Parts: sequence; C-alpha cells; structure tokens
Amino acid sequence: GAVVSQHPSRVICKSGTSVKIECRSLDFQATTMFWYRQFPKQSLMLMATSNEGSKATYEQGVEKDKFLINHASLTLSTLTVTSAHPEDSSFYICSAMDLGATADTQYFGPGTRLTVL
Amino acid sequence: SQQGEEDPQALSIQEGENATMNCSYKTSINNLQWYRQNSGRGLVHLILIRSNEREKHSGRLRVTLDTSKKSSSLLITASRAADTASYFCATDANQAGTALIFGKGTTLSVSS
Repeated sequence: GAVVSQHPSRVICKSGTSVKIECRSLDFQATTMFWYRQFPKQSLMLMATSNEGSKATYEQGVEKDKFLINHASLTLSTLTVTSAHPEDSSFYICSAMDLGATADTQYFGPGTRLTVL
Repeated sequence: SQQGEEDPQALSIQEGENATMNCSYKTSINNLQWYRQNSGRGLVHLILIRSNEREKHSGRLRVTLDTSKKSSSLLITASRAADTASYFCATDANQAGTALIFGKGTTLSVSS
C-alpha cells in the first residue's frame, strides 16, 4: 500500500527556535497534502492544506506566518514551526492524496512529536 | 473545525465482549471513515463506507451509516486486549479532494 513518511518522528527544541517537519509520499505522487495537529487526549485538527506549486490554505485560527508550509514537489511537503513556544508542543500528522487513486484515498504519516521546552 | 462527535468518549469492556462506538456529523458527506490510534502513535485506517452504503464489514468490524440521521456506528466483535486504542470517525465534507474532518474520538479499553 501507499506509504507516507514523516521526519523527524520526535523533536525536542528550545523556545524561540524553528523546527522543520518533512512529509514525504514514498511511492506515489501527491499534489495535495494536509497537515493536522493533535494535542494530548484530543482529536486531530486540520491546520492547513498544502498544494504543490502554490500557497497553502490555512484553517481559521492557524497563523500562516508561524506555521510555514512549502510543497515544492509532488512527493514532499514541509511544515516549519517558527519561533516555537511550549504551547506549540503537539503531535503533528500529515496526510497525502494519491493522484493515481480515487479522490477519497488519503494516506497518513506516522506523526511527529514536537516538544518545546 | 470538528465535524463529528463520537460517543461514548470512553468505553471499558472485557475481552470477548462487543464494543460499539457511535459518530454523528453535521454536513453532507461522500464517505465516512474510521481510524484507530494507539497511544502516541499514528493513525491506522480501518474501514471506509460510502454515502450510498448502509453497512460494511471487515473482519471483526461492522460499520453502519445512516445518512438521514447523519450518524455512523462502529462495532468491534469479540474484542481483544490489542483493540485497546482511540477510535475516530472522519468525514470528507462532501467534496472530493478535501481534508478529512475528525470526530473527537472514543477511547476503548479492553481488559483481559
């Protein structure tokens, strides 16, 4: 089956630093990827939709200048948390849509655990 | 925004018993999916049911969908300790190519 990877799987950083998280579709091309955030004991909340070659679409309440998304190729989207603060500590999960499959087929990455000290 | 509401929020059962989780959503959908998430881990896709389907089976899983009530249920039969996890329903807001909107989830605990 289709595989989506995320790197790193876990990151700890100091407050004020920036962290980049990569989301890759390993065996398919994805024009659209999605970024979700999950706080402890809560559900996944959509942060933004990442489209290859164009600007990301952010959900209401998500700061686009803080969460920079770049989707430079059909297999890679990156999320950069800029000037991270402890409240940004969360589990970040990406998903990707397979161009070659039915429109409702999404594949999720394993997630990245971000801890900001 | 959150589309679905699951109930119960938490469910504790014994091995061998059946577990039923319910999900309600607000808007029209193309399909509804159920996912499992073990603590601190990624999502595992369980089953997808389309809006024109009423029931679907996969192994010990049975999913129903009632579009008139905007609700779905997930039944896990003969539960095992390994079924302990959080279960989420997710919908696509009736538009292909859009993100999934997740419900709040049900935390299932199966004790042996």
